[in-house]
Amino acid sequence: DAGVTQSPTHLIKTRGQHVTLRCSPISGHKSVSWYQQVLGQGPQFIFQYYEKEERGRGNFPDRFSARQFPNYSSELNVNALLLGDSALYLCASSDWMNTEAFFGQGTRLTVV
Amino acid sequence: GENVEQHPSTLSVQEGDSAVIKCTYSDSASNYFPWYKQELGKGPQLIIDIRSNVGEKKDQRIAVTLNKTAKHFSLHITETQPEDSAVYFCAASTSGTYKYIFGTGTRLKVLA
Repeated sequence: DAGVTQSPTHLIKTRGQHVTLRCSPISGHKSVSWYQQVLGQGPQFIFQYYEKEERGRGNFPDRFSARQFPNYSSELNVNALLLGDSALYLCASSDWMNTEAFFGQGTRLTVV
Repeated sequence: GENVEQHPSTLSVQEGDSAVIKCTYSDSASNYFPWYKQELGKGPQLIIDIRSNVGEKKDQRIAVTLNKTAKHFSLHITETQPEDSAVYFCAASTSGTYKYIFGTGTRLKVLA
């Protein structure tokens, strides 16, 4: 069975640009969460979606947005990129009836 | 606010010795505590978890203990092997929220 898949794996963007990151959850999982992991730190919660609805939002500016599609895949969008947005962006999927979250390999975003 | 403290930040052990990583959480409503192993360039991998109705859980060489009164939980790895070398993260969450609060990570190095 395929695990959580994220694309792209690496990305380089210029300050002020916009980026879209994509995630496909484990088959049968209906919940997707997004985390930002800055080098040397633990992941920080950004968003959680279930059945296309936002269920939770972390302490991130409005430049960050996300959505979930009918097939439960998800996109994370970041506008007006700053140097500080450089990080590993992780997607996690989970079954609503469980709290175990399984992470993808992440998208390494570098803003220059 | 919600916080998870993790210690130590780095840990070196000889192959075959045991390793212990400790975490303390602040939110008394937390009731689910997963541990993740993250290897270089990869996403976090769930290795063991414990729920608040259990004091201890074991899976082969890995065990987790939980002290709800003290809001402490710990990861124990016995008979360490070089492939155990990685960064380990603890996390805490409340059922239904799917928001994980992560610790700052412990870099474990197992010396052959």
